[in-house]
Amino acid sequence: KAGVTQTPRYLIKTRGQQVTLSCSPISGHRSVSWYQQTPGQGLQFLFEYFSETQRNKGNFPGRFSGRQFSNSRSEMNVSTLELGDSALYLCASSLIQANTEAFFGQGTRLTVV
Amino acid sequence: TQLLEQSPQFLSIQEGENLTVYCNSSSVFSSLQWYRQEPGEGPVLLVTVVTGGEVKKLKRLTFQFGDARKDSSLHITAAQPGDTGLYLCAGPPREYGNKLVFGAGTILRVKS
Repeated sequence: KAGVTQTPRYLIKTRGQQVTLSCSPISGHRSVSWYQQTPGQGLQFLFEYFSETQRNKGNFPGRFSGRQFSNSRSEMNVSTLELGDSALYLCASSLIQANTEAFFGQGTRLTVV
Repeated sequence: TQLLEQSPQFLSIQEGENLTVYCNSSSVFSSLQWYRQEPGEGPVLLVTVVTGGEVKKLKRLTFQFGDARKDSSLHITAAQPGDTGLYLCAGPPREYGNKLVFGAGTILRVKS
């Protein structure tokens, strides 16, 4: 069974630009969550999508948004990038709920210059 | 302040030694999970503990969930270099609904 696939693996963007990251969950998993990981803050919850609807949201500004498609694939978008957005962005898929066992992708390393 | 406090933050030991990592909170959790993460990769789920007082073993790793479901520990026996990585505890605190909250992690380095 294929795992969680995130693309791209690495990304370099300039301040002010926007970026879209993609996540394909494990087949059959309907919950997709996004996390930001930085050395200083650790793993911080961004949002969770289930059946194309945002079910939970973390404490991040509105520049961070996401969506989920009917095939459970998810994208997250960050607009007006800031230097502080440099981080490893992780996607996790769960069968039904984000608070149960989460299976993570390898992440997208975003560097904002 | 982290909802889940992990200690120690960093551990460097020799191959063959034993170690324990702690995960503590003032909140009650319906379950706690332990993950291991290697540099440049996503966390990999090791175990989920659900019942207060539960003990689970995974080869040389022993996981325990506190009776009050507010704390957990991970004990590694005879550590090996392959155990090196970032160990994270995570769980859904009652007051947070479906969100998974992570501890800051323990960086373990096992030297041969």
